[in-house]
Amino acid sequence: AQTVTQSQPEMSVQEAETVTLSCTYDTSESDYYLFWYKQPPSRQMILVIRQEAYKQQNATENRFSVNFQKAAKSFSLKISDSQLGDAAMYFCAYRSATSGTYKYIFGTGTRLKVLA
Amino acid sequence: NAGVTQTPKFRILKIGQSMTLQCTQDMNHNYMYWYRQDPGMGLKLIYYSVGAGITDKGEVPNGYNVSRSTTEDFPLRLELAAPSQTSVYFCASSEPGTGGNQPQHFGDGTRLSIL
Repeated sequence: AQTVTQSQPEMSVQEAETVTLSCTYDTSESDYYLFWYKQPPSRQMILVIRQEAYKQQNATENRFSVNFQKAAKSFSLKISDSQLGDAAMYFCAYRSATSGTYKYIFGTGTRLKVLA
Repeated sequence: NAGVTQTPKFRILKIGQSMTLQCTQDMNHNYMYWYRQDPGMGLKLIYYSVGAGITDKGEVPNGYNVSRSTTEDFPLRLELAAPSQTSVYFCASSEPGTGGNQPQHFGDGTRLSIL
């Protein structure tokens, strides 16, 4: 069974600085998808960025980028120029690309604090 | 566009009571999911559905039931509420996509306390 591990329960970053959130996963599959979700205090989960395992190029979305290391099974999220609105819980998620598989597996989350 | 709508947002139940958490999506998504999120934890899948009339168990289905009579609605039923079911419940939906790269869209959650 696949697992997703986020080893940093909490991280802090100074406003305008850069922070990296870690995520590792375990799978025997070769094709899958990885996601980072943000959960602000309002509770609604919002997609931040996604990565297809077959793509070598790291995904980027404005100030958010990932460092995808397939061999190491690592999927870290880098937030550049951190803003106060980035403060939230961040969840890493895995989904198999196997046909007929519909389940997402979530990590336990990292709480990001942004200091003014 | 409302997206995924969950009701109620908060609820307190007594042990042994029953209730239904409502979830509706207006994006015509085939896939729908119910998760629970315990304090300091990630999301655990309770049930999911890949289309009207089709449901399947997730990681933690005990004590819950679901139905999917329409594409839009995916209610979650607690028959005999227990303190262990105190949690925040999230409903989500997604399109099948190409190989599953479509993200999930989440509702705002229902905070449920069992006393």
